[in-house]
Amino acid sequence: TQLLEQSPQFLSIQEGENLTVYCNSSSVFSSLQWYRQEPGEGPVLLVTVVTGGEVKKLKRLTFQFGDARKDSSLHITAAQPGDTGLYLCAGDLDTGTASKLTFGTGTRLQVTL
Amino acid sequence: DVKVTQSSRYLVKRTGEKVFLECVQDMDHENMFWYRQDPGLGLRLIYFSYDVKMKEKGDIPEGYSVSREKKERFSLILESASTNQTSMYLCASSLLSSGALYEQYFGPGTRLTVT
Repeated sequence: TQLLEQSPQFLSIQEGENLTVYCNSSSVFSSLQWYRQEPGEGPVLLVTVVTGGEVKKLKRLTFQFGDARKDSSLHITAAQPGDTGLYLCAGDLDTGTASKLTFGTGTRLQVTL
Repeated sequence: DVKVTQSSRYLVKRTGEKVFLECVQDMDHENMFWYRQDPGLGLRLIYFSYDVKMKEKGDIPEGYSVSREKKERFSLILESASTNQTSMYLCASSLLSSGALYEQYFGPGTRLTVT
């Protein structure tokens, strides 16, 4: 059973467009991370959110953690080709092993000129 | 610069072979992880280790075993490879948490094909 569902699974947009990726669960997470993975590489951390309702901005990327800590979103403003990659959310279920992550299903983003 | 290295980028093995995937980190991290990545399924945890000689099962441990004899090295073993183990395998490491969620650092992955 996949605990973290991401939508959409694929997204192909043109440079300059805005987009939002969603990460949803029926479980409560103590904290949540977003990673980006480029072809031939492992995922790299973008952000960690820990408080329900928290909003974090990283240049053109805005991350939000839901009030109930069951969902999160990633919004990209004015997408650029360099944003192309696989975006993964990952949550900590706070089962006592705080370093163990549950990863989402992934959203593959392609930004074209 | 922090680094997680994996022994091979690409590997082709035959059904029934014993397969070893090696991972080394140079950050003195306590935690190490093995994931497999399949399209549409994200990353699924196979095993992890929080100390030398310690290991815990992840979500999909069947058909796999692990070894951690030294802090910097974590090995994934497929005792008898099967075609359904064809996948991308990712190794990661992180600090041991006391409550905070630390970043996981990933290797570049090993694409294993079992024929």
